[in-house]
Amino acid sequence: DGGITQSPKYLFRKEGQNVTLSCEQNLNHDAMYWYRQDPGQGLRLIYYSQIVNDFQKGDIAEGYSVSREKKESFPLTVTSAQKNPTAFYLCASSRLAGVGNEQFFGPGTRLTVL
Amino acid sequence: AQSVTQLGSHVSVSEGALVLLRCNYSSSVPPYLFWYVQYPNQGLQLLLKYTSAATLVKGINGFEAEFKKSETSFHLTKPSAHMSDAAEYFCAVSGASQGNLIFGKGTKLSVKP
Repeated sequence: DGGITQSPKYLFRKEGQNVTLSCEQNLNHDAMYWYRQDPGQGLRLIYYSQIVNDFQKGDIAEGYSVSREKKESFPLTVTSAQKNPTAFYLCASSRLAGVGNEQFFGPGTRLTVL
Repeated sequence: AQSVTQLGSHVSVSEGALVLLRCNYSSSVPPYLFWYVQYPNQGLQLLLKYTSAATLVKGINGFEAEFKKSETSFHLTKPSAHMSDAAEYFCAVSGASQGNLIFGKGTKLSVKP
């Protein structure tokens, strides 16, 4: 089955640690996205990538980093510089970059800082 | 700049009643609009999308939405609510150039037996 997988489903981080969230898709989609979801806040864009080896900051990129070395993979690192990282993180992809393309979402990773 | 406003963070209906979830958008270009549904601790699933082909858009699970340019609205409706419709619903507009989605804050739908 084609789709988007995210791992782990739950992640716990201690203060000062960096953690990496995995996102893999086998849909052969060009574009991939990372969103952060907080209760009552909707989804906010962290980073996006329209093509391999290229990515752009979204609205709340501070304290996060990404890479796009392969078309199917778009890992997100939450660094110690992110002051309030506890949230639900969603990865998405779309067949093409650009306006109007629907996005398909993974099941999410819930990150909790201890 | 694009933006989305969802009126009502919580909506409660009885099983069998009409579901109406409101969404208003702001866009400097002809908009592409989407409705997604999210069940607890899961990702988002696309319900329907508007891409200017028709103003009344039919989606999955009996949902539909009507695009009204004069009102800048894209409200989601379903004639008869089912218990399985209880979830959070998000309206989104496509960004002007990058293709990212700009989401509303969501509306939680509760369905009473």
